[in-house]
Amino acid sequence: DSGVTQTPKHLITATGQRVTLRCSPRSGDLSVYWYQQSLDQGLQFLIHYYNGEERAKGNILERFSAQQFPDLHSELNLSSLELGDSALYFCASSVGDSGGVDNEQFFGPGTRLTVL
Amino acid sequence: GQSLEQPSEVTAVEGAIVQINCTYQTSGFYGLSWYQQHDGGAPTFLSYNALDGLEETGRFSSFLSRSDSYGYLLLQELQMKDSASYFCAVSNVKAAGNKLTFGGGTRVLVKP
Repeated sequence: DSGVTQTPKHLITATGQRVTLRCSPRSGDLSVYWYQQSLDQGLQFLIHYYNGEERAKGNILERFSAQQFPDLHSELNLSSLELGDSALYFCASSVGDSGGVDNEQFFGPGTRLTVL
Repeated sequence: GQSLEQPSEVTAVEGAIVQINCTYQTSGFYGLSWYQQHDGGAPTFLSYNALDGLEETGRFSSFLSRSDSYGYLLLQELQMKDSASYFCAVSNVKAAGNKLTFGGGTRVLVKP
């Protein structure tokens, strides 16, 4: 158990819908990262938040948005869903906002999104 | 852009040694990490190299050569539980933020 929690574990929805994925980082971690893992694209970095502020963006679609709240939990909003958005979405957390000595990111168990 | 190359699959027997190579092309390189992921599970951190050389953590070691844009993960005394996918990932730390870019993963199958 990494200490990172994600809800829900599974999500099944239809094309065109909107969903919200939730992540709570490990106690004391200020950074939250979102990743998408699919069979054809592998593990892709989406976005990084540190203490409520967006710090880095990856291959995140305009239909996707995220935020980190004052209590440090984060939400990833996916809208106008398409079949290709079906994937595992991981949240990870770390203490700082940069590489650091060991750069360890702790991953949550993931949310499996299925778009029908 | 950024790219990482690693073999897609490796098969070995229990007790053997496996080396997973990773070559990368990226700007703003900060360090190379390795993660393990069992089927249906989350990636878990194994090791990190920011400087050239070998880092050893138990049965696992990781190596980095910044001049060659190359690193490897060495798995020794393989056990059945080591059957998993292994990902190399580069960190790009810029003025703000830490972006982790993953390779495609190497599936390691350990046979009895």
